[in-house]
Amino acid sequence: QKEVEQDPGPLSVPEGAIVSLNCTYSNSAFQYFMWYRQYSRKGPELLMYTYSSGNKEDGRFTAQVDKSSKYISLFIRDSQPSDSATYLCAMSVYGNNRLAFGKGNQVVVIP
Amino acid sequence: DAGITQSPRHKVTETGTPVTLRCHQTENHRYMYWYRQDPGHGLRLIHYSYGVKDTDKGEVSDGYSVSRSKTEDFLLTLESATSSQTSVYFCAISESRTGQGDTQYFGPGTRLTVL
Repeated sequence: QKEVEQDPGPLSVPEGAIVSLNCTYSNSAFQYFMWYRQYSRKGPELLMYTYSSGNKEDGRFTAQVDKSSKYISLFIRDSQPSDSATYLCAMSVYGNNRLAFGKGNQVVVIP
Repeated sequence: DAGITQSPRHKVTETGTPVTLRCHQTENHRYMYWYRQDPGHGLRLIHYSYGVKDTDKGEVSDGYSVSRSKTEDFLLTLESATSSQTSVYFCAISESRTGQGDTQYFGPGTRLTVL
């Protein structure tokens, strides 16, 4: 079993819809959780960063962490065509400088 | 942008030839990483560095070597390129201050094709 599981999609939604992405993980020691966005032929860029459990909101983006279920989510409200990208989850253990990544989930927002 | 450049951005080479990819940062971050990204596999860590001349292996290090003689530069070398090393290579950096998670910032990538 991989440490981090992420459904690769692709996920197609109409413009304005809510996009819901998630990752599950097996290592209960993970404490830091990140979402990266990667446009085609570009490097991943950090989108959201969360420590431990709870929610974090930044504009149209909300990240949720449920450590009891080993499950993290990313929600995109009022999705735009510019949100079309691959979204990767990543997580790490305190004091460990290596990230465990999901394989990425491709999202297509249709105008 | 996180102040990371990679060179070359694209390269086509032949099997058996040596190849060196360069990552350059202007952030003075301590940690630097090399990943490869392939369909169906996602990002996989090749090697990383936690300081000048301090490096360690990642999960897919076979066939690759690295060097870091200056804080700002991290080189990835394929001693004898094989077709299985055709991939997109990303460099990443991290400050990794004590008490904070390892947030990494990525470069633009190098597309390598080995014929």
